[in-house]
Amino acid sequence: QQQVKQSPQSLIVQKGGISIINCAYENTAFDYFPWYQQFPGKGPALLIAIRPDVSEKKEGRFTISFNKSAKQFSLHIMDSQPGDSATYFCAASLPYSGAGSYQLTFGKGTKLSVIP
Amino acid sequence: EAGVAQSPRYKIIEKRQSVAFWCNPISGHATLYWYQQILGQGPKLLIQFQNNGVVDDSQLPKDRFSAERLKGVDSTLKIQPAKLEDSAVYLCASSKRRGGTEAFFGQGTRLTVV
Repeated sequence: QQQVKQSPQSLIVQKGGISIINCAYENTAFDYFPWYQQFPGKGPALLIAIRPDVSEKKEGRFTISFNKSAKQFSLHIMDSQPGDSATYFCAASLPYSGAGSYQLTFGKGTKLSVIP
Repeated sequence: EAGVAQSPRYKIIEKRQSVAFWCNPISGHATLYWYQQILGQGPKLLIQFQNNGVVDDSQLPKDRFSAERLKGVDSTLKIQPAKLEDSAVYLCASSKRRGGTEAFFGQGTRLTVV
């Protein structure tokens, strides 16, 4: 059962444009929603994260928009650059329960290509 | 600060052979994770350690996969015997504590089973 659905699978954006990647989740108990960036041959690296008590978080050119009622969140990359070309993963995790893990459930990823 | 170290970077084995991967987490990080990333998919958690104890191994195929973290630092993940469907990138990650903090990933080991 896929608990985090990510779209689109791939995205091509012109340099300077806005890249938008969407994710939807099913489990309303999730309380931490990070986005990871992965370059070929590298491990994922945390880009930005949000908790459901806020609707938006911005860090530089990267913004997460969060819609708790729709169970959706999205990543916006403003002024996209060729160096942003990578695979982006959304993820979600449950609150730490004290009895077990605090594992991340990842989406399937979006391959972003920013063309000059 | 040194990152998460993994070795080897690449491994090609025949099916039914065994293979082991090694991970050295960031110094001071008590929590260590092993993830499996199949081509075109997001990482999937296999096992999580807190110090040298297993916190969650519910998604680890225990008939063929095993993992240990001796002395609460380095960890090894073993597959025996390997199957074709085990071809994937095996990622190790670590974090300072359970829950709510950033997990830092290593570069991974790309396993090809032929």
